Amino acid sequence: SYVLTQPPSVSVAPGKTARITCGGNNIGSKSVHWYQQKPGQAPVLVIYYDSDRPSGIPERFSGSNSGNTATLTISRVEAGDEADYYCQVWDSSSDRGVFGGGTKLTVL
Amino acid sequence: EVQLVESGGGLVQPGGSLRLSCAASGFTFSSYAMSWVRQAPGKGLEWVSAISGSGGSTYYADSVKGRFTISRDNSKNTLYLQMNSLRAEDTAVYYCAKCGYQLPNWFDPWGQGTLVTVSS
Repeated sequence: SYVLTQPPSVSVAPGKTARITCGGNNIGSKSVHWYQQKPGQAPVLVIYYDSDRPSGIPERFSGSNSGNTATLTISRVEAGDEADYYCQVWDSSSDRGVFGGGTKLTVL
Repeated sequence: EVQLVESGGGLVQPGGSLRLSCAASGFTFSSYAMSWVRQAPGKGLEWVSAISGSGGSTYYADSVKGRFTISRDNSKNTLYLQMNSLRAEDTAVYYCAKCGYQLPNWFDPWGQGTLVTVSS
């Protein structure tokens, strides 16, 4: 089965740029989606189709995907961005949804 | 505004059954695939099952295949998850989510979740 690998944690100072990676075998050939989950809340889609932003998501959130790594980039990080972030693909070869293990973003 | 409201969670003994429901509003329900995603306490997200907009195609994680059944009633704008032979490891918050198109891809938005606890 397809596996997505994320770092357990990323720390960043306010105003700086956070980059959260998602590794998978030839992930660049798949569409990657990203979710933000704050404590006690349901996940929220922040990036779909590698780099598209749903309405209401700040431009500070962007995504890229190439080779074996997809990346969620959060520019000018704010305290309110502190959350768990998950990458996800639909693996069409197995017809299964797959989530990465999640990355806890800490704003210092 | 799209709204998804789950119900049916609760405490059930190992080996028991439970049926979750997800009432949808604010969009043309039959035009979109729907999915269930769960989250065990303190753990990450785990995709559970999905169903196409017409209901003609269903998809399951290996961990629930043969025990869980996803279905939908497009006349009632409602998604279901029938869970049988429940195990302790099925304990989780279960979220329903709308997919981007007729077939599964991304999940947006999500309901508030319903807690399923499997314990004796």
